[in-house]
Amino acid sequence: QVQLVQSGAEVKKPGSSVKVSCKASGGTFSSYAISWVRQAPGQGLEWMGRIIPMVGIATYAQKFLGRVTFTADKSTSIAYMEVSSLRSEDTAVYYCARDDDLLGFDPWGQGTLVTVSS
Amino acid sequence: EIVLTQSPGTLSLSPGERATLSCRASHIVSSSYLAWYQQKPGQAPRLLIYGVSSRATGIPDRFSGSGSWTDFTLTISRLEPEDFAVYYCQQYGSSPITFGQGTRLEIK
Repeated sequence: QVQLVQSGAEVKKPGSSVKVSCKASGGTFSSYAISWVRQAPGQGLEWMGRIIPMVGIATYAQKFLGRVTFTADKSTSIAYMEVSSLRSEDTAVYYCARDDDLLGFDPWGQGTLVTVSS
Repeated sequence: EIVLTQSPGTLSLSPGERATLSCRASHIVSSSYLAWYQQKPGQAPRLLIYGVSSRATGIPDRFSGSGSWTDFTLTISRLEPEDFAVYYCQQYGSSPITFGQGTRLEIK
């Protein structure tokens, strides 16, 4: 059964970039999409967009267009999310999740805390 | 964009009681693509229900989902201590995918 394992916590300066990885363990991405969801401290869940690793096609929520980039390496079953021009409001836990058109998001990665602070 | 509004914001109940959580959509949810997730502090969300009423693998049958079009309900028939958490609904039939703001289920 596939599990998603994310990279560790990051502390970044405003204006810098961060790249978070999400590795499929115990399986591959197969034909599924990987969605990225963020959760600011004490807040709800916000969908950022998704990528279909097998074909490299990414879709972004309007709010994140131009500042977020999703990529994937299907040979290693790792998906990446990069956020540029970081600001304090980007401080959040970032989750990846396998995104099935019929079954919703399952499983989820354990989350990666990104802290943006000067 | 489909806006999902969950109610109540907080629900205070005792173990053994029945919990009813509501999720209302601003537009019809396409093809019944409505899911529910449970999130405990410090943990990732966990899929409970997909397709409005199908339980995910390993989810106890005290959890059930119902509804259609724009009104959906998650019911927990008899609350166990481990059920106290935050619950989110999600629509995944239209882009952008959206979540409700969450209902906190707390011990009374």
